[in-house]
Amino acid sequence: KQEVTQIPAALSVPEGENLVLNCSFTDSAIYNLQWFRQDPGKGLTSLLLIQSSQREQTSGRLNASLDKSSGRSTLYIAASQPGDSATYLCAVWSGAVDLGGGADGLTFGKGTHLIIQP
Amino acid sequence: NAGVMQNPRHLVRRRGQEARLRCSPMKGHSHVYWYRQLPEEGLKFMVYLQKENIIDESGMPKERFSAEFPKEGPSILRIQQVVRGDSAAYFCASSPLTSGDSYEQYFGPGTRLTVT
Repeated sequence: KQEVTQIPAALSVPEGENLVLNCSFTDSAIYNLQWFRQDPGKGLTSLLLIQSSQREQTSGRLNASLDKSSGRSTLYIAASQPGDSATYLCAVWSGAVDLGGGADGLTFGKGTHLIIQP
Repeated sequence: NAGVMQNPRHLVRRRGQEARLRCSPMKGHSHVYWYRQLPEEGLKFMVYLQKENIIDESGMPKERFSAEFPKEGPSILRIQQVVRGDSAAYFCASSPLTSGDSYEQYFGPGTRLTVT
């Protein structure tokens, strides 16, 4: 059974710092990995999706890396801003069952609650 | 192209009542997923549907919960005889039939169910 762990559970840093959020998963047989952002009481905003064949993806100040063999991903946020404050969720997809994969739904970590101090 | 739509956004039900949550996938998407986020918990997969078919309901509670995705209209998640423990945010996601090897899921804003 796939399990996803995110470390740290919470993080508070001053504005302007670069920071790294960590995600690990127990079963390396994944099709893709997604990073999401969730604001309090809101839905999920997809930030980056990394295919299993890729090593990293970049969008603006965000960079996500994937080491599938070791079951790890990191989300790097450069020059953090107060508007980056949110919960960041990591999720893996093991492939639809009818395609020979392990699970139809995404398996989520519990998230990293990030606060950027002005 | 409108995103995934869910309604209502907030729903209050008394214990024992029924709750119906609706999800309209993105245009062109034929795969729908339902997830539940309990307070202080991560999101958990509940059910995966294609038009008129339930493909995987391994995450659904055995009783009181059902889901459908009819040929016409939105997907419905139905909770009968709600209890306080059903209070949660329910998210719907959709993905297209074919997307190369992406299979990215696009999430709706969620329905927050409160059972009093």
